[in-house]
Amino acid sequence: QKEVEQNSGPLSVPEGAIASLNCTYSDRGSQSFFWYRQYSGKSPELIMFIYSNGDKEDGRFTAQLNKASQYVSLLIRDSQPSDSATYLCAVRRGGGSNYKLTFGKGTLLTVNP
Amino acid sequence: GAVVSQHPSRVICKSGTSVKIECRSLDFQATTMFWYRQFPKKSLMLMATSNEGSKATYEQGVEKDKFLINHASLTLSTLTVTSAHPEDSSFYICSARGALGYTFGSGTRLTVV
Repeated sequence: QKEVEQNSGPLSVPEGAIASLNCTYSDRGSQSFFWYRQYSGKSPELIMFIYSNGDKEDGRFTAQLNKASQYVSLLIRDSQPSDSATYLCAVRRGGGSNYKLTFGKGTLLTVNP
Repeated sequence: GAVVSQHPSRVICKSGTSVKIECRSLDFQATTMFWYRQFPKKSLMLMATSNEGSKATYEQGVEKDKFLINHASLTLSTLTVTSAHPEDSSFYICSARGALGYTFGSGTRLTVV
C-alpha cells in the first residue's frame, strides 16, 4: 500500500464549478497535511495545510481532514482555468525531528473555460 | 517572507562531469532543507534531508557518494551530482523548512548528454 494515494486524474471540471480532490494516507501517525499546486515545469507552491479534523477554509479553497478515515481532501470553489495544474497531497508524520513530507503522485486538474 | 532561491534553474552537462545546485533561504533561517527529484509526470521523491552542521540523511536507494549534500550554514544547502549520467537527468527541487512551513525552490532542470 502506497503511503499517500491520490487519483492521478485527469479531473476535468467546467469553469465556475467545484473541483474536489482526494487523498488517502496509510500512516496513522501522520499529523500534518498539506496541499500543493504544481504547474507544469514549475516547483510546487503551498495552497494550504491542515492539522485538525474538520474543515479549513482559505478563500476559494477548503481543506477537509478526517483522521479516522485517513482521508484529506481539497475543494476548489468557482474553479478558474488558471487553477489547471497538478495538485499534490503531502503528509508529515509528527513527532521528534522527523520533518520530512511524503507526497502523493498528484491529481491533474483541468478547468475548461 | 519565506523565499527560497535555487540555481541554476537549468543546466546541461556532459556525462561524467559534476554539477552543483545551490539552495538558499533568503529571508529566514532553515535548519532543515530537503532535496527532491521529480521525473516527468511523476511525483516528488525525497532524496535526502539536510540538517545544518551535520551529515545529510539519505533515503533508501539514494547513493550518498553520488549525490553530495552540504548544509554549511542556516541559509545554504548544496547538492552536487557527481559523475552525472543521462539517467540522472531530472528536475531537482529543494525545500527549506522555516517558521512558516515548507518553502520550495524554483527547481533545477538537469540534462546530462
